[in-house]
Amino acid sequence: AQSVTQLDSQVPVFEEAPVELRCNYSSSVSVYLFWYVQYPNQGLQLLLKYLSGSTLVKGINGFEAEFNKSQTSFHLRKPSVHISDTAEYFCAVSDGGTSYGKLTFGQGTILTVHP
Amino acid sequence: DSGVTQTPKHLITATGQRVTLRCSPRSGDLSVYWYQQSLDQGLQFLIQYYNGEERAKGNILERFSAQQFPDLHSELNLSSLELGDSALYFCASSLGRGRLDEQFFGPGTRLTVL
Repeated sequence: AQSVTQLDSQVPVFEEAPVELRCNYSSSVSVYLFWYVQYPNQGLQLLLKYLSGSTLVKGINGFEAEFNKSQTSFHLRKPSVHISDTAEYFCAVSDGGTSYGKLTFGQGTILTVHP
Repeated sequence: DSGVTQTPKHLITATGQRVTLRCSPRSGDLSVYWYQQSLDQGLQFLIQYYNGEERAKGNILERFSAQQFPDLHSELNLSSLELGDSALYFCASSLGRGRLDEQFFGPGTRLTVL
């Protein structure tokens, strides 16, 4: 069975500061990894995904994430955040050993950007 | 706007009742997924349909059922509702049936059971 742990439930940061949201996963098979963002009262939007290839993945809105197989991590980073980045962020894993698209999500990290 | 629509946006009902949540996938998408988001359980996968057939099942209670119709819209039926069923229910859709497909999420239906 696969699982996802987001190590911080809340991350406060000042505008223009860098941020890292941490995600660790466990799975007995190969995995595909995703970061989604949820703005207040909205559905989830895909930020970026790792399927294969380069371990550094670039996404929308200036976010990037690095897949580290040895540490089973997929941390999300942004070098300079904006007020509009305030939202809840979810790390998710898809089981690479089957052919369906079930996503297992972490508990979410609330990013609050202060002026 | 993801292109996935869900109705109703809000639903308030009483314990013991039955409700139906509706989802229309993006044009061309064949897979529909249902997820439940609650404060205590987080975001949990319930069920996936691909082109009318059940493809995968997650932590879906026996009181819950779903189906995907020939026009590819899907309905999630929740019966004998309990207070703990109060949650945000998301529908997502994807082009294919597999793990490589990006899932596009709808805005959700907020269910409140009183």
